[in-house]
Amino acid sequence: SQTIHQWPATLVQPVGSPLSLECTVEGTSNPNLYWYRQAAGRGLQLLFYSVGIGQISSEVPQNLSASRPQDRQFILSSKKLLLSDSGFYLCAWSVIGGQETQYFGPGTRLLVL
Amino acid sequence: SQQGEEDPQALSIQEGENATMNCSYKTSINNLQWYRQNSGRGLVHLILIRSNEREKHSGRLRVTLDTSKKSSSLLITASRAADTASYFCATVYSGNTPLVFGKGTRLSVIA
Repeated sequence: SQTIHQWPATLVQPVGSPLSLECTVEGTSNPNLYWYRQAAGRGLQLLFYSVGIGQISSEVPQNLSASRPQDRQFILSSKKLLLSDSGFYLCAWSVIGGQETQYFGPGTRLLVL
Repeated sequence: SQQGEEDPQALSIQEGENATMNCSYKTSINNLQWYRQNSGRGLVHLILIRSNEREKHSGRLRVTLDTSKKSSSLLITASRAADTASYFCATVYSGNTPLVFGKGTRLSVIA
């Protein structure tokens, strides 16, 4: 069966520090991969999605970037965090095509101070 | 924005009652999906209904889709305290566009 992992679960970082959040998927090949951010009590904002290795689509211009170095690995990064980057970050995968069910990881809660 | 809109934003009911949440969207869709999110957790897929379907059931869940009104509803029958969560609709538009999530309905079921 397929599983999706995210780490860390919780992160407290100072403003201006770098960020690296990792997401890995097991049990499937060639998935579509997604990064979302959710502000407290709000809906999901799609940040990036990827249909293959090295292929990244950015939905929202900001100081975050994403990379997909391997088929089932998706990394969210920042060189310098802002206070506004605080939130709950969710990684998800779907079968290729992207129009079917998405399967979400447990999320990373990021607090930037 | 193509984002779907759930209604109401928040709903509080007694255990055993039915809960109905609605979702409206703006343009033609390929399919519509409902997800649940428990506090501080990831989203869990509940039901997918395609544009040529009008109703689907899964256990105590019933989803309807009215493409003429561009709306969908999620009915949870005989609610339980464990149903307390946020519920999101997500729409898939034509082409290869990714899911677009609404802002969610926060459901509280009081024992």
